[in-house]
Amino acid sequence: ETGVTQSPTHLIKTRGQQVTLRCSSQSGHNTVSWYQQALGQGPQFIFQYYREEENGRGNFPPRFSGLQFPNYSSELNVNALELDDSALYLCASSAPERGGLHTQYFGPGTRLTVL
Amino acid sequence: QKEVEQDPGPLSVPEGAIVSLNCTYSNSAFQYFMWYRQYSRKGPELLMYTYSSGNKEDGRFTAQVDKSSKYISLFIRDSQPSDSATYLCAMSAGNTPLVFGKGTRLSVIA
Repeated sequence: ETGVTQSPTHLIKTRGQQVTLRCSSQSGHNTVSWYQQALGQGPQFIFQYYREEENGRGNFPPRFSGLQFPNYSSELNVNALELDDSALYLCASSAPERGGLHTQYFGPGTRLTVL
Repeated sequence: QKEVEQDPGPLSVPEGAIVSLNCTYSNSAFQYFMWYRQYSRKGPELLMYTYSSGNKEDGRFTAQVDKSSKYISLFIRDSQPSDSATYLCAMSAGNTPLVFGKGTRLSVIA
């Protein structure tokens, strides 16, 4: 069983730029959630995708957007990057029909630095 | 008041000690309680989850939930240097997003 993978591992951008992060869900999982984890903090929920539709969103502005593809992989896009967007971005997959949304399995994350 | 409160530590213990990690929460709708372990610069790893109140044991790890007090705990017996990591509690009302604590950084000294 393949786990959750994310790319790239690290990314450095400048303020105002745009970034796309990618996630492949664990085999058999159709739900992907994205989280932002600032240094020294717990992960904060950004949004969730279920069967290619956004299925819940946290307190993040519209410049954070996403996609889910038919193979359940997902992208997180952030426009007009700000310094405070520097964080570890985590993707988690789950299979609500089997284990419920609470059993989420995380990828290794993408560390984004905005200069 | 934050929904989930967790003492960030750091917590330093000698090898072999029993470790107690705790979280409190304010949302009485939470039904699922998870513990994740996160090594430095890695993603969180699900250790165990508990539904509603009660205890759950898995090897050296025991999770306890007291819904009446809105308090959850993770105990680690016979702690090892490899247990050194940040431990995150997370909670959910079911089909709702996970709400995490800040994490407690644990160091087990050989």
